[in-house]
Amino acid sequence: QKEVEQNSGPLSVPEGAIASLNCTYSDRGSQSFFWYRQYSGKSPELIMSIYSNGDKEDGRFTAQLNKASQYVSLLIRDSQPSDSATYLCAVGDTGGFKTIFGAGTRLFVKA
Amino acid sequence: NAGVMQNPRHLVRRRGQEARLRCSPMKGHSHVYWYRQLPEEGLKFMVYLQKENIIDESGMPKERFSAEFPKEGPSILRIQQVVRGDSAAYFCASSSASGISYEQYFGPGTRLTVT
Repeated sequence: QKEVEQNSGPLSVPEGAIASLNCTYSDRGSQSFFWYRQYSGKSPELIMSIYSNGDKEDGRFTAQLNKASQYVSLLIRDSQPSDSATYLCAVGDTGGFKTIFGAGTRLFVKA
Repeated sequence: NAGVMQNPRHLVRRRGQEARLRCSPMKGHSHVYWYRQLPEEGLKFMVYLQKENIIDESGMPKERFSAEFPKEGPSILRIQQVVRGDSAAYFCASSSASGISYEQYFGPGTRLTVT
């Protein structure tokens, strides 16, 4: 059973701090990795994709991938109250056709 | 530049009725995925389809649930003889086949309530 594991949280950080969200996965053959943000009552929104080891930065977001450790993370710099949401880690399976979602980590950013 | 469209956004059915959920993928996308999300829970994969083909239905309940993606028109998720436990948000996502990237983009969802 291919799995994607996330700490359910909630993770609470003060406004302006760095939020660090982590994810591990079981399928060693996975080649694609995604982070989605889901506000309460809304649909998931793709915020980052990463395919190679290392860091990928987009604005205040940085995704980090370590395939050897089967570990993906998302850093949110200068966290804002509007970042309060559930963050879903998603991993493409070996064939690439299907994406396995983690259960999500709830983030609260306190003003 | 329409995104993934789903309708209806809200659907109320009585126990025993049929529910039909529709999904139109983003322009240029040929892959459709259906997910179910119960309140305060994660996304559960149900089925993955391409035009006229079901590729993976490993997450679909064996009875009462079916899905299709015809050559013309939207993808349909059909739930027959609904029960209270079917009440959930149903999300559709679409992607294009592009190398190793299968970025999925989600529609707004259909909230099904069974009374």
